[in-house]
Amino acid sequence: DSGVTQTPKHLITATGQRVTLRCSPRSGDLSVYWYQQSLDQGLQFLIHYYNGEERAKGNILERFSAQQFPDLHSELNLSSLELGDSALYFCASSGRQANTGELFFGEGSRLTVL
Amino acid sequence: DAKTTQPPSMDCAEGRAANLPCNHSTISGNEYVYWYRQIHSQGPQYIIHGLKNNETNEMASLIITEDRKSSTLILPHATLRDTAVYYCIVRVASSASKIIFGSGTRLSIRP
Repeated sequence: DSGVTQTPKHLITATGQRVTLRCSPRSGDLSVYWYQQSLDQGLQFLIHYYNGEERAKGNILERFSAQQFPDLHSELNLSSLELGDSALYFCASSGRQANTGELFFGEGSRLTVL
Repeated sequence: DAKTTQPPSMDCAEGRAANLPCNHSTISGNEYVYWYRQIHSQGPQYIIHGLKNNETNEMASLIITEDRKSSTLILPHATLRDTAVYYCIVRVASSASKIIFGSGTRLSIRP
């Protein structure tokens, strides 16, 4: 158990809809990272938040947005969903120990868009 | 783009040492080498990291060349449960950085 919690574990929705994925980082971790992994593909970096502020952005679509709240949990919002958005979405946290930088991943949210 | 190059696949006999190479020829002086693995579709798992010295923990050993342009992850006694995709990444260990994963090496352990 990494200590990172993601909900929901599975989600099935239709094209054009909007969903919210939630991530609770490990206790004390200030950084949250979001990744997308399509079927048999690598991990695509989406966005990084540190203590509530956006710190780095990857190839995140404009239809996607994220935020980190004061209690440090994070949400990834996906809107106007397309079939190609079907993927595993992972959240990772780090930062409990200064300058070690290892990421601890949740088990992911599997999104299926029909 | 990922700053590392890894072979797409490797295999190893159970009980033998698995040696996974990684090239990172453009690594900067303040960048660490990290290794993760992903078993099937589970969340990736941190294995080990290092800056310039060799490192060992309960899971693996990390050997970094003197010029830091390449490294090798060693699983000393591979088991079937070590079958996974192994990712080598380089990054600055700070709070503000992108962490880019490449394609990794798919390691198969044969009985």
